[in-house]
Amino acid sequence: EVLLVESGGGLVQPGGSLRLSCAASGFTFSRYWMTWVRQAPGKGLEWVANIKEDGSKKYYMDSVKGRFTISRDNAKNSLFLQMNSLRAEDTALYYCEGGEKADYWGQGSLVTVSS
Amino acid sequence: QAVVTQEPSLTVSPGGTVTLTCASSTGAVTSGHNAYWLQQKPGQAPRTLIYDTSNKHSWTPARFSGSLLGGKAALTLSGAQPEDEAEYYCLLCISGPWVFGGGTKLTVL
Repeated sequence: EVLLVESGGGLVQPGGSLRLSCAASGFTFSRYWMTWVRQAPGKGLEWVANIKEDGSKKYYMDSVKGRFTISRDNAKNSLFLQMNSLRAEDTALYYCEGGEKADYWGQGSLVTVSS
Repeated sequence: QAVVTQEPSLTVSPGGTVTLTCASSTGAVTSGHNAYWLQQKPGQAPRTLIYDTSNKHSWTPARFSGSLLGGKAALTLSGAQPEDEAEYYCLLCISGPWVFGGGTKLTVL
């Protein structure tokens, strides 16, 4: 069974930091691009960042460039999102996605940025 | 970056057929956009139904099909079922960055 399990979300003050993790199992993690997608409360899906199989290429949405860093550890089948200088507009449920053709999605980790 | 536009809402009768579309602000959607269609029901994670314009995953019901139609990506549902009521998102992927459409709320009524 394929599982993607996100963790690390929570309540943080504006300007603060959080590190999201995504633990993958049931598929060959190192073979696929991995992606973070977020969804603000009551809103649509929004692509955040993705990373190549070997970590050599990374792409970010404009509003998180310079604040968020995507990384992965293929030895531990794990994906990460380091989020710094958080803003209220970063409040969302953050999903981890992977697989050859967007096959697999986690259940999300909620990040709330509020004072 | 492109803006991807979908119908905000559509209604289909049980057993009926409906087509959802996905347009790009940069011009015609082509096979090079590798269009995806995702389904999301309330309180659930998204689920990918269609990839690369028209290919189905093993879990995709046969009543869903993807195509290119008049310069747009299209998702056609033939024989709608009550359980198809959901939000549907188009996703365009061009060598790295992704762009989601705003979603179509499909009502089966």
